[in-house]
Amino acid sequence: DQQVKQNSPSLSVQEGRISILNCDYTNSMFDYFLWYKKYPAEGPTFLISISSIKDKNEDGRFTVFLNKSAKHLSLHIVPSQPGDSAVYFCAAGKRNFNKFYFGSGTKLNVKP
Amino acid sequence: DTAVSQTPKYLVTQMGNDKSIKCEQNLGHDTMYWYKQDSKKFLKIMFSYNNKELIINETVPNRFSPKSPDKAHLNLHINSLELGDSAVYFCASSSRQGVGNTEAFFGQGTRLTVV
Repeated sequence: DQQVKQNSPSLSVQEGRISILNCDYTNSMFDYFLWYKKYPAEGPTFLISISSIKDKNEDGRFTVFLNKSAKHLSLHIVPSQPGDSAVYFCAAGKRNFNKFYFGSGTKLNVKP
Repeated sequence: DTAVSQTPKYLVTQMGNDKSIKCEQNLGHDTMYWYKQDSKKFLKIMFSYNNKELIINETVPNRFSPKSPDKAHLNLHINSLELGDSAVYFCASSSRQGVGNTEAFFGQGTRLTVV
């Protein structure tokens, strides 16, 4: 039973446009959320995180939005660049337990 | 200098064999993990160690046994390998549980194929 779901396995976006990746979770006790980026044949690398006390966190071109009532978070990339093409994993969990559940990833393709 | 390194990168072995995957981190982190990425691409936590002490042990067959000789190393030993064990296994580490940044640093993965 997956506690974190990324329902879009893939997304294709034109360079310069916005990429929006979505993630849903089921456990209302989760208080910390992360996005990771993964290139082929490499491990995931941390991108951005958000605590449940916030509804938005921004880092350069990357912004994560959290909607606790809907148990939904999204990652916005603006503007998208070809180098952003990768698989993006959403993770959620309770920070004090340091145990996070991952989604199945969304493969982003940014076309030049 | 690789922060989290795991070896081997690829492992092909026959059913019934016993194999180990090694993991080392040079980040000074207290917590280390093993994740399995299955055929559906979900990353599932298997084990977590904090300062050589097992703190998370998901529902994993007891053929899988983690070994942490020190806090910089967390090896995964698998006995009597089965076809269903074929997956990519990722080692990761993070700073002390619940303190500071919680993001995990991952190794490059070990693709295990059981034939």
